[in-house]
Amino acid sequence: EAGVVQSPRYKIIEKKQPVAFWCNPISGHNTLYWYLQNLGQGPELLIRYENEEAVDDSQLPKDRFSAERLKGVDSTLKIQPAELGDSAVYLCASSLDADPYNEQFFGPGTRLTVL
Amino acid sequence: QKEVEQNSGPLSVPEGAIASLNCTYSDRGSQSFFWYRQYSGKSPELIMFIYSNGDKEDGRFTAQLNKASQYVSLLIRDSQPSDSATYLCAVRVEYGNKLVFGAGTILRVKS
Repeated sequence: EAGVVQSPRYKIIEKKQPVAFWCNPISGHNTLYWYLQNLGQGPELLIRYENEEAVDDSQLPKDRFSAERLKGVDSTLKIQPAELGDSAVYLCASSLDADPYNEQFFGPGTRLTVL
Repeated sequence: QKEVEQNSGPLSVPEGAIASLNCTYSDRGSQSFFWYRQYSGKSPELIMFIYSNGDKEDGRFTAQLNKASQYVSLLIRDSQPSDSATYLCAVRVEYGNKLVFGAGTILRVKS
């Protein structure tokens, strides 16, 4: 069974440029998460989807970040415009559903560097 | 006070020793607790979860939970150099049904 797929793996952009990350969750997983992980810190939740509905986006900086999960499968996270402080690893995770006892499986992440 | 706190380390133990990793959390309503291992440059992978007070053993790993003290720990017996990684404690908080991670403890096992 394929795991969570993310692309690109690495991205280097100049500040004020837009950037987008893509995630394909494990087949059959209804819940999808986007996390941000800064160096030396644990992942922090940005947004959680139940199928195509964003049910928790309270930590998403909505002035510059947006996300979508069309058809309840793949998801895209966008930043426009990017700032220096956005340099981090963006992790996508999925779980079977929102049951709090279900395991979350993480993708390899996208390492973003903003110059 | 952070929601989930861990000692950042590094915690250094000799090969074959027991490594003890600790985590405290602030949300008394939390019901499920997870330990993730993260190798440098890699994504987190789940190694243990625990829901009930007491101990849970899986191979060389033992998770311990004390809800009254709001404390979770992970013991790694017979530590191996391959166990060297960052160990993240994650707590499913009651509000918002979301997973909150600690900053992680760096473990170094010396051969």
